Amino acid sequence: EVQLLDSGGDFVQPGGSLRLSCAASGFTFSVHAMSWVRQAPGKGLEWVSTITNSGDTIYYADSVKGRFTISRDNSKNTLDLQMNSLRAEDTAVYYCARDRRYSRSHDYWGQGTLVTVSS
Amino acid sequence: DIQMTQSPSTLSASVGDRVTITCRASQSISTWLAWYQQKPGKAPKLLMYKMSSLESGVPSRFSGSGSGTEFTLTISSLQPDDFATYYCQQYNSHPLTFGGGTKVEIK
Repeated sequence: EVQLLDSGGDFVQPGGSLRLSCAASGFTFSVHAMSWVRQAPGKGLEWVSTITNSGDTIYYADSVKGRFTISRDNSKNTLDLQMNSLRAEDTAVYYCARDRRYSRSHDYWGQGTLVTVSS
Repeated sequence: DIQMTQSPSTLSASVGDRVTITCRASQSISTWLAWYQQKPGKAPKLLMYKMSSLESGVPSRFSGSGSGTEFTLTISSLQPDDFATYYCQQYNSHPLTFGGGTKVEIK
């Protein structure tokens, strides 16, 4: 059974940093691209970042470029999102998601982890 | 960036109704479109990919159509489990973008 377990969400002050993690199991992690998608309270979905299966290509939304860093460890089946210079508008539930093979759609999602940025 | 516009934003319907949700792209995305269903407090669930391909385990009452810039998600006979919010997503190019969502409510 495919499982994605998000963790690391917390309450942080503006300008602070946080690292999110996603532990994957139940599938061959190294053959799938992985993504982060976020959802601000009461709002719609916003794609944040994608990393290819080997980690050699990375994409970011303009809203997080230069502040967030996505990474993966295929030996540990983990996906991370390092978030620096956090802003109030980064407050959201963050989901890790598996990209469907040969597609950029997201076929499995974690349960989400809440990041709150506030003074 | 490709903008995705969904309509309506809210839809009131009854069990058994045929429901159609529209998604328009600001430029052609071929058939690189996905649909997701999200229930309150839950992660989104992939329903359709490549516009009209049904994800495994998704009931056949869901279907997708369209091309280029205009797409529709149709639920042929609305069931109680279908009351949720639906999102389209283009994955023709980065940045990937979602529509604003359509909430399907009980009439």
